[in-house]
Amino acid sequence: QKEVEQNSGPLSVPEGAIASLNCTYSDRVSQSFFWYRQYSGKSPELIMSIYSNGDKEDGRFTAQLNKASQYVSLLIRDSQPSDSATYLCAVSGGSYIPTFGRGTSLIVHP
Amino acid sequence: GAVVSQHPSRVICKSGTSVKIECRSLDFQATTMFWYRQFPKQSLMLMATSNEGSKATYEQGVEKDKFLINHASLTLSTLTVTSAHPEDSSFYICSARDPSRDTRNTEAFFGQGTRLTVV
Repeated sequence: QKEVEQNSGPLSVPEGAIASLNCTYSDRVSQSFFWYRQYSGKSPELIMSIYSNGDKEDGRFTAQLNKASQYVSLLIRDSQPSDSATYLCAVSGGSYIPTFGRGTSLIVHP
Repeated sequence: GAVVSQHPSRVICKSGTSVKIECRSLDFQATTMFWYRQFPKQSLMLMATSNEGSKATYEQGVEKDKFLINHASLTLSTLTVTSAHPEDSSFYICSARDPSRDTRNTEAFFGQGTRLTVV
């Protein structure tokens, strides 16, 4: 049974701070890792994908992958109120069908 | 990213009727599409994998006779909820891969989702 675990939160951070979102997964042969942002009542939107150990940066977002420890994280720098949403971690292996975590609710307060 | 369009975005139907949801890939050919269901504050649960020109693959516990999936072309998959009941009320989301973009496990692009309410 493939599992993707996330703290449901909510994670509350002040505007301008760094938000750190974490995800662990159970399937050691997982190859692809994704972070999606989902606003209430909307479908998920891809933010980042990462395939190799280390950091990947895109604007204010940085994804970090550690396959040995089976965790992937997302850092959001200079958090804005518009970043308030649920962030879904997704993991996939050879079948390319992603397994989603339950998501972490992020609240950025002014 | 690739564009996936889902229609309708919101539908209310009477118990016992059927509802069809369409999912289209607008700028790429999707040999495979996925159908998810999401209950409030829950994660996306994969219902089935839709393969163009063949039968869909359903996840365990999903009734294939109730949730009919048709993937007749490379750009269109439909999900029909038959004999809908109030417990079928949920947020249904389709997604598709664009295999031309990457040779690895490519990210999935999502449609806008359909909020189904059965009364």
